[in-house]
Amino acid sequence: GAVVSQHPSWVICKSGTSVKIECRSLDFQATTMFWYRQFPKQSLMLMATSNEGSKATYEQGVEKDKFLINHASLTLSTLTVTSAHPEDSSFYICSAPGASVPPRRYFGPGTRLTVL
Amino acid sequence: SQKIEQNSEALNIQEGKTATLTCNYTNYSPAYLQWYRQDPGRGPVFLLLIRENEKEKRKERLKVTFDTTLKQSLFHITASQPADSATYLCALGLYGNNRLAFGKGNQVVVIP
Repeated sequence: GAVVSQHPSWVICKSGTSVKIECRSLDFQATTMFWYRQFPKQSLMLMATSNEGSKATYEQGVEKDKFLINHASLTLSTLTVTSAHPEDSSFYICSAPGASVPPRRYFGPGTRLTVL
Repeated sequence: SQKIEQNSEALNIQEGKTATLTCNYTNYSPAYLQWYRQDPGRGPVFLLLIRENEKEKRKERLKVTFDTTLKQSLFHITASQPADSATYLCALGLYGNNRLAFGKGNQVVVIP
């Protein structure tokens, strides 16, 4: 089956630094990838949709300049949390749609970000 | 306002029994509904999809129903096993786009 990987699986950083999270589709191509944030006991909140070769589409309330998304190839999307603050600490998960209609989602294993 | 409601209380169930989870929604007209399993600290894993014109879907020990009149989906795990312990998310698939709207999930704990 289709596999989505994420790297790193966890990261601890100081306030004010930037953190890059990579999301890769390992055995299929993804022109679209979705980035979610999840707080404990809460639902997945869609942050943005990344599109290969074009700009990402951000959800209302998500700061584009803070959460930079790049979808450089058909298998790689990156999320950079710029000038991270403690309130950015969360679980970040990416997903890519499969080829079925309607598509099922293949999720990465997630990245736990802790900002000190 | 739009809402997707799943029980916030964990469902504790004896091994071998059937676990039933509910997903209710308000002010949505989903084209389909999906169920995912999420283990702690992991990304969700797809389980089942059911379309609006389907009443029931089965996969091994899993069964999903979809009632668009009641605006409700039920998710059943028959002959539950401790390995079924996880959080189960329902997700509504909307017409015309690739978006999914997720519920908060319902935790299941299967007691040996």
